[in-house]
Amino acid sequence: QKEVEQNSGPLSVPEGAIASLNCTYSDRVSQSFFWYRQYSGKSPELIMSIYSNGDKEDGRFTAQLNKASQYVSLLIRDSQPSDSATYLCAAPNQGAQKLVFGQGTRLTINP
Amino acid sequence: KAGVTQTPRYLIKTRGQQVTLSCSPISGHRSVSWYQQTPGQGLQFLFEYFSETQRNKGNFPGRFSGRQFSNSRSEMNVSTLELGDSALYLCASSFLGALSTDTQYFGPGTRLTVL
Repeated sequence: QKEVEQNSGPLSVPEGAIASLNCTYSDRVSQSFFWYRQYSGKSPELIMSIYSNGDKEDGRFTAQLNKASQYVSLLIRDSQPSDSATYLCAAPNQGAQKLVFGQGTRLTINP
Repeated sequence: KAGVTQTPRYLIKTRGQQVTLSCSPISGHRSVSWYQQTPGQGLQFLFEYFSETQRNKGNFPGRFSGRQFSNSRSEMNVSTLELGDSALYLCASSFLGALSTDTQYFGPGTRLTVL
């Protein structure tokens, strides 16, 4: 199993709906997670981080962490066309000074 | 506070040449990590430097090397370029490195094309 896995998509969601992005992870990563958004041709930018079990909300974004199921997700409420991007899930590798990234999920919000 | 800067932004080289990329981290950040991003492989870790010391290295050949200076600026070098080295090279800085709660901030990247 890869350290961090994401469904590469593409995921298509109508404007105004909730977009749900998912990530699973192995025991080889520390249980702290970072969601990055990457627009085409640009570098990743941090959206949210989550370290504890449960939900963490920031504006239209909610990160959810379930350590028992080794599952982390990002919900985007009231999706906007500007949310169309690739979303990357990342976690620090256990014992190593590096972030491990999933393959990313390409999200398209349709007007 | 200024963000992470990378130079140059774009490079075109031919096979066999060598290239040096530069990264200036956010002021106060001591850790610099380098990543290679390609459509097929995604974001892959190259190496991480902290206080001028390489702490970790990814699974890349020895043609890829780096260093960090006393002001935390970092350079990476790729020698004997191959077509497969064409990629977006990203630098990320953080206070302490990829610890459990330390956030990495990315620079704009250097787009390298090898012909």
